[in-house]
Amino acid sequence: GENVEQHPSTLSVQEGDSAVIKCTYSDSASNYFPWYKQELGKRPQLIIDIRSNVGEKKDQRIAVTLNKTAKHFSLHITETQPEDSAVYFCAASKGYGNNRLAFGKGNQVVVIP
Amino acid sequence: EAQVTQNPRYLITVTGKKLTVTCSQNMNHEYMSWYRQDPGLGLRQIYYSMNVEVTDKGDVPEGYKVSRKEKRNFPLILESPSPNQTSLYFCASSLNGQADYGYTFGSGTRLTVV
Repeated sequence: GENVEQHPSTLSVQEGDSAVIKCTYSDSASNYFPWYKQELGKRPQLIIDIRSNVGEKKDQRIAVTLNKTAKHFSLHITETQPEDSAVYFCAASKGYGNNRLAFGKGNQVVVIP
Repeated sequence: EAQVTQNPRYLITVTGKKLTVTCSQNMNHEYMSWYRQDPGLGLRQIYYSMNVEVTDKGDVPEGYKVSRKEKRNFPLILESPSPNQTSLYFCASSLNGQADYGYTFGSGTRLTVV
């Protein structure tokens, strides 16, 4: 099955700086890649996703880039704020016709004021 | 309000005492799933259901049962809980059986088995 790995496991950034989290996946048939944010004590929530026919997607301060050849995708957070401190999970799926979403183990992002 | 509701939020039980964690969604979603979250292991899928009366094993199904008699409900059953099932459990739902519509998660159930 699909194997999704995230790096680094913990990332500390100064407020206002950018943060980048990278995920690699193993199944070249995967074509849907969401990112979930989990604040302390709360549920994971979808923050952005990308499909394989798109190389980059942006939503305000967050963006996701996809490199299908290298089988990795990254979450970019610009102008980080304290409320960006959370665990971020990446995931991968074969999308249409497939119901399985394989999650990475999560990245702890700490924004230092 | 569209949501996935889990109960209870916190549960402490003893080894071997059967328990059920309920999950209900009000979005008419076809797909529902249970995950457990453990430190350093991320989110691991226990069971999922594509629709009523259709369930299948995820990555870590041992020691768990589920049922899907109605579209809105997907209870997780631990027939004989053991301490290694101490974990944070999340129920999730999605519009249809395709993962690329995004998951909506419940608030979680923190289970402790002593």
